Order: sequence, then structure tokens, then C-alpha cells
Amino acid sequence: RKEVEQDPGPFNVPEGATVAFNCTYSNSASQSFFWYRQDCRKEPKLLMSVYSSGNEDGRFTAQLNRASQYISLLIRDSKLSDSATYLCAVNLNTGFQKLVFGTGTRLLVSP
Amino acid sequence: NAGVTQTPKFRVLKTGQSMTLLCAQDMNHEYMYWYRQDPGMGLRLIHYSVGEGTTAKGEVPDGYNVSRLKKQNFLLGLESAAPSQTSVYFCASSSWTSGSSYEQYFGPGTRLTVT
Repeated sequence: RKEVEQDPGPFNVPEGATVAFNCTYSNSASQSFFWYRQDCRKEPKLLMSVYSSGNEDGRFTAQLNRASQYISLLIRDSKLSDSATYLCAVNLNTGFQKLVFGTGTRLLVSP
Repeated sequence: NAGVTQTPKFRVLKTGQSMTLLCAQDMNHEYMYWYRQDPGMGLRLIHYSVGEGTTAKGEVPDGYNVSRLKKQNFLLGLESAAPSQTSVYFCASSSWTSGSSYEQYFGPGTRLTVT
């Protein structure tokens, strides 16, 4: 089993739709979780950190489910500009700041 | 405040040639990382550094060497390039002093092709 797994997609949604992605992780001791956004041929950019209580930033909501070992990202009122690949990242709790990244979920928002 | 910068942005090498990729950060971060990203493989850690003068191997270190002589710079070297090293290379940095100490910030990447 991979340490971090994501559905590669693509998820094709119309503007204004709500879409959610999940990311599963294998190490139950993982403590820190993140969502990054990566545009084509660009670097990953930090979108959100995922806290135990969940967190929200505008149209984006991230949640953590420790029992089932997954994190989720919900995007409401999708915009064309949300089209990108979304990477999840999980720290391995090895005592060092090492993240393991998923391969990403591609989102395509159409008019 | 430029964040994380990388040079060069693009490079084409012939098999057996050597080169050095430079990463610089102006955020006073302690930790720096080199990743490669290949289609379907995601980001894979090559080497990392926990501070000036220290480096360690990541997931895929073979064929690469690194040095961190100054806190703000992290160099990635390819001594004898191979076609399998064709990839996009990203540098990242993070700080252990902040409340969100695991957040990594990435440079714009270097696209390397080895023919």
C-alpha cells in the first residue's frame, strides 16, 4: 500500500459546482497534513494546512478523519481558475520535517 | 522577498555531462529539500538538509550529491547525467521555528532533459 494515495481524476465539473477530493494515508502516527495546488508546469503552492478540527478558507474546506486515515478537500462554487492538480502531503512523524506527497488529483472546471 | 528561487530554469545535458542546480531562499529557513517530479510518480525526495553544513539522503538519492555551505543555499549536483534523470526538479524550504513548522515552500523548478 502506498503511503499516500489520491484518485488521479480528472474530476470534470461545471462552474459553480461543489467538488470533493479525498487522500488516504497509511501511517496512523502521521501528525501534519496539507493540501497543495499545482498548476501545469508550475511549482506546488500551499493551499491549506489540515488541522484536527478541520479548517475553512473561503470556498475551500479541509477535514481530517483519523479513524479512517484520510483527509478531504471540499471546493464550493467552483471557478474556472480552480482548474489545477491538487496534491495532498502527509508528514511521517519521523522526528523530522519530511513530507510524503500524493500523486495528485486533477480538477477541470468548465464553463 | 523572493521566497525560493532556482537556477537554471531549463537545461539540456548529454549523457555523462555534469551540472549543478542552485536553490536559494531568503526566508531564513532551516530546512531545505530537493525533489524530482515525474509523470505518475509524484514528488520524490532526493536529498534534504536540516541546517548549514548538514545533508541527508531522501528516497531517491542515487546519482545526485548535495551541499549546503550557506544557510540560504542548497546545491544539487549531477556528476554523470543519465537519461533516467530527465525530470523536473523542485527545491523547497521550511522552518522549524514557526507555528506551522511543516509547511514547505517551493521554488519554480528546473526542467532538465538528458539526451
